[in-house]
Amino acid sequence: EAGVTQFPSHSVIEKGQTVTLRCDPISGHDNLYWYRRVMGKEIKFLLHFVKESKQDESGMPNNRFLAERTGGTYSTLKVQPAELEDSGVYFCASSQGLGPSYNEQFFGPGTRLTVL
Amino acid sequence: QKEVEQNSGPLSVPEGAIASLNCTYSDRGSQSFFWYRQYSGKSPELIMSIYSNGDKEDGRFTAQLNKASQYVSLLIRDSQPSDSATYLCAVTRNTPLVFGKGTRLSVIA
Repeated sequence: EAGVTQFPSHSVIEKGQTVTLRCDPISGHDNLYWYRRVMGKEIKFLLHFVKESKQDESGMPNNRFLAERTGGTYSTLKVQPAELEDSGVYFCASSQGLGPSYNEQFFGPGTRLTVL
Repeated sequence: QKEVEQNSGPLSVPEGAIASLNCTYSDRGSQSFFWYRQYSGKSPELIMSIYSNGDKEDGRFTAQLNKASQYVSLLIRDSQPSDSATYLCAVTRNTPLVFGKGTRLSVIA
């Protein structure tokens, strides 16, 4: 069974540009999460999809960040325009959401974003 | 105030010894507790989950939970050099995980 995949693995952009990150969850997982780790800090929650619906977007830092999950499969996270403080590693995770281990979340390899 | 606290380490243990990793959390309503292992440049890998007070064993790993003390720990028996990694504690009431910064473990051969 394939794990969570993310694309690209690295992205270097200039301040003011736009970047779109993609996440493909484990097949059959209805729950998809985005997290971010800024250097020196802990991993922090951004938002949670259940299928195509945003269940919780309380962690989104501001309206420069837009997440979508059309069709309830893969998800994209767009940052427009990017600022220096957006640099970090963006992780995607998914969970099945059923049974006693409903909240066991499996992480992708992350996208390392550098904004210059 | 930090929500999940971990000693950043590094914690160095000799090969074959028991490594003890600790985590405290501030939200008394937390229901689910997880340990992730992260090798440098890799994704966090779920290694243990625990939901009720007491011990849970899986191979060389034992997770311990004490909700009254708001404390969760991970013991690694017979530590191997391949266990050298950063161990992340994650806690949640429902779905968004709240992570600690992680403890770096170094197992010396």
